[in-house]
Amino acid sequence: DSGVTQTPKHLITATGQRVTLRCSPRSGDLSVYWYQQSLDQGLQFLIQYYNGEERAKGNILERFSAQQFPDLHSELNLSSLELGDSALYFCASSALGGEQFFGPGTRLTVL
Amino acid sequence: SQQGEEDPQALSIQEGENATMNCSYKTSINNLQWYRQNSGRGLVHLILIRSNEREKHSGRLRVTLDTSKKSSSLLITASRAADTASYFCATGVIGGGKLIFGQGTELSVKP
Repeated sequence: DSGVTQTPKHLITATGQRVTLRCSPRSGDLSVYWYQQSLDQGLQFLIQYYNGEERAKGNILERFSAQQFPDLHSELNLSSLELGDSALYFCASSALGGEQFFGPGTRLTVL
Repeated sequence: SQQGEEDPQALSIQEGENATMNCSYKTSINNLQWYRQNSGRGLVHLILIRSNEREKHSGRLRVTLDTSKKSSSLLITASRAADTASYFCATGVIGGGKLIFGQGTELSVKP
């Protein structure tokens, strides 16, 4: 158990819909990262937050957004979903510059 | 985009044998981390090696880093069937916290 929690574990939805994925970092970690894992793209970095502020952005689509709240939990919002958005979405947390510990992931299926 | 490549893509060995996986990357790094993933489940952090380190050990794991060749290797000694998983290297870029992952090595350890 990494100490990072993610909900829900599984999500099945339809094209065009919007979903929210939630992540709680390990106690004391200020950095939260979101990654997407798909068969064709592998593991891709999406976005990083540090203590509530956006720190770095990767190949995150405009239809996707994220935020980190004062209690340090983070949410990833995916809208106007397409079939190709089906993937495993991971959240990770770390002390700045240290090991990143990953949550169990949310498996998103878009039908 | 992927930072580097892992070699081999798949490795099949007998229990008790050693397994070596290699990772190459393209840009300067702050650190390199190795992860294990069982069948599309969560990523388990194995070890972090910083750019100023050359070798690190953790239990049956030995990681080396050669920054002049931009490469790293992960050695698992006395492998067990439970080591069967995909192994990923991930580079921490300078000036940021995000990780860039390789495509992984699929290790199969036969009892």
